[in-house]
Amino acid sequence: DSGVTQTPKHLITATGQRVTLRCSPRSGDLSVYWYQQSLDQGLQFLIQYYNGEERAKGNILERFSAQQFPDLHSELNLSSLELGDSALYFCASSPQLARNTGELFFGEGSRLTVL
Amino acid sequence: ELKVEQNPLFLSMQEGKNYTIYCNYSTTSDRLYWYRQDPGKSLESLFVLLSNGAVKQEGRLMASLDTKARLSTLHITAAVHDLSATYFCAVDSTYKYIFGTGTRLKVLA
Repeated sequence: DSGVTQTPKHLITATGQRVTLRCSPRSGDLSVYWYQQSLDQGLQFLIQYYNGEERAKGNILERFSAQQFPDLHSELNLSSLELGDSALYFCASSPQLARNTGELFFGEGSRLTVL
Repeated sequence: ELKVEQNPLFLSMQEGKNYTIYCNYSTTSDRLYWYRQDPGKSLESLFVLLSNGAVKQEGRLMASLDTKARLSTLHITAAVHDLSATYFCAVDSTYKYIFGTGTRLKVLA
């Protein structure tokens, strides 16, 4: 158990809908990262937050948004869903931006299926 | 833009054999990470390599880092079925971690 909690674990929805994925980082970790992993694909970096502030953005679609709250949990919002958004969405956390080992700790993921 | 490439993408090997997975990256970094992922599961950290020449070993796996060549290797010694998984390397770059394409390893009995 990495200490990173993601909910829901599974989600099935229809095209055009909106969903919210939630992530609670490990206790004390200030940085949260979101990744998308499509079937048999690698991990695509979406976005990173540090202590409530967005610090880096990857190839995140405009239909997707995220935020990190004062209690450090983070939410990833996916709207106007398309079939191609079906994927495993991972959240990872690390203690701070840099200058520790930099190791990421991953949650179990949220599997989104868009029908 | 940082690119991280792994090869091979797929690896099928017999139990007891040795093999090496390669991870190349395109920009300067002195930190590299290896992760393991079982199908449909989360990523498990295997190794954290923090400097040029770093070598880490755990069981049948050994990872090394050559920052000058921008190359890391994951060596598998005397493979066993339990090592079947997908292995990813990752490099950190300005607040984000870029993962390689992954190497899907299948160890045959």
